[in-house]
Amino acid sequence: EPEVTQTPSHQVTQMGQEVILRCVPISNHLYFYWYRQILGQKVEFLVSFYNNEISEKSEIFDDQFSVERPDGSNFTLKIRSTKLEDSAMYFCASSFDRVNSPLHFGNGTRLTVT
Amino acid sequence: KNQVEQSPQSLIILEGKNCTLQCNYTVSPFSNLRWYKQDTGRGPVSLTIMTFSENTKSNGRYTATLDADTKQSSLHITASQLSDSASYICVVSASERGGADGLTFGKGTHLIIQP
Repeated sequence: EPEVTQTPSHQVTQMGQEVILRCVPISNHLYFYWYRQILGQKVEFLVSFYNNEISEKSEIFDDQFSVERPDGSNFTLKIRSTKLEDSAMYFCASSFDRVNSPLHFGNGTRLTVT
Repeated sequence: KNQVEQSPQSLIILEGKNCTLQCNYTVSPFSNLRWYKQDTGRGPVSLTIMTFSENTKSNGRYTATLDADTKQSSLHITASQLSDSASYICVVSASERGGADGLTFGKGTHLIIQP
């Protein structure tokens, strides 16, 4: 069964550094998402992406964050200047349609900011 | 404010037993309700999606129910197995946005199956 893959599985970075989290969504999916989950808390929506542009973003997704689909297969999340509170598990997800298809999640990148 | 509350927070049962997890939501307007299973250190995996008109849906030993009038859902697990140990997350979608960007997640029920 096709799956969403994320790399790296764990990223450690120093405060103020830039990080890029990478995702390869399922190939025939059209909608792409980033979510985050701070340890022990609920999953939170960051951003959705469709037709090569952001369709929705949450309050968390401020100017420090950006997303890109550079080559038709990869989907990246960049955090320009990491803060301690950015430490979390970041999940990429994709779906075939926007409303009633199940979301397929990757296994996440654990980001640790020191 | 849209909210999803799950109970119990955690549950321990013996292998082979059944259990029921609860979800109450105050999401409006309602589009669909989803249950996900999340193994430790992994991404959530979809179990069921139910729209307003559906009141029960099964996926193997998992059966979800939905009462849109009382805004409650349950997930029943039959004949539990050790591999069912995971967090079970209730997620509700608001129809104004409808899609996965309009999802409200619960905190999950942490289920432990003991041999």
